[in-house]
Amino acid sequence: DAGITQSPRHKVTETGTPVTLRCHQTENHRYMYWYRQDPGHGLRLIHYSYGVKDTDKGEVSDGYSVSRSKTEDFLLTLESATSSQTSVYFCAISHDRGNQPQHFGDGTRLSIL
Amino acid sequence: QQQVKQSPQSLIVQKGGISIINCAYENTAFDYFPWYQQFPGKGPALLIAIRPDVSEKKEGRFTISFNKSAKQFSLHIMDSQPGDSATYFCAASNPGSNMLTFGGGTRLMVKP
Repeated sequence: DAGITQSPRHKVTETGTPVTLRCHQTENHRYMYWYRQDPGHGLRLIHYSYGVKDTDKGEVSDGYSVSRSKTEDFLLTLESATSSQTSVYFCAISHDRGNQPQHFGDGTRLSIL
Repeated sequence: QQQVKQSPQSLIVQKGGISIINCAYENTAFDYFPWYQQFPGKGPALLIAIRPDVSEKKEGRFTISFNKSAKQFSLHIMDSQPGDSATYFCAASNPGSNMLTFGGGTRLMVKP
């Protein structure tokens, strides 16, 4: 397995609270990604990073922010969680951009009540 | 807007049979088409991938068939085994893009 650790693995919180998910990699890969997985939608890209302090929006970025202060860590923050953000969140990494394999962590199951 | 449409949503196959999952895409600029396999509680794992300069790629029991003119590609699992029971996702990306566009997934069950 690629060295990707997501934390926490499970979280239950209330609407309106801030939530931060962490992705930690030991592969020294340049690219890191945050996806959400919902039934029938596959995986949808939220944000990605192409280097320290370099990030960009994905397909479903509204309501989410990210930060990358070190190569190995990529944080996803929900500033004020809503029930529509209940989902399973996956972090992925890749050595290079575009047509390169992405390796996924085992996900964080987030429930917002 | 779903740029990659995957079918069927679920599939039941007998052990030893052939499992076939299909994907259709709209963006003709896509040039990388991976398939991912996901087991419950785990992240997706890359299974096999193809680029549009070939019409077929085989790795063990897994084969991707690619039809550029029809903008379709499919995954064939030969001699399907109960251990193949998982959810499968097709995906596609543009040249130099940082984004993978995923299909909606197919839940495969292989009955012993």
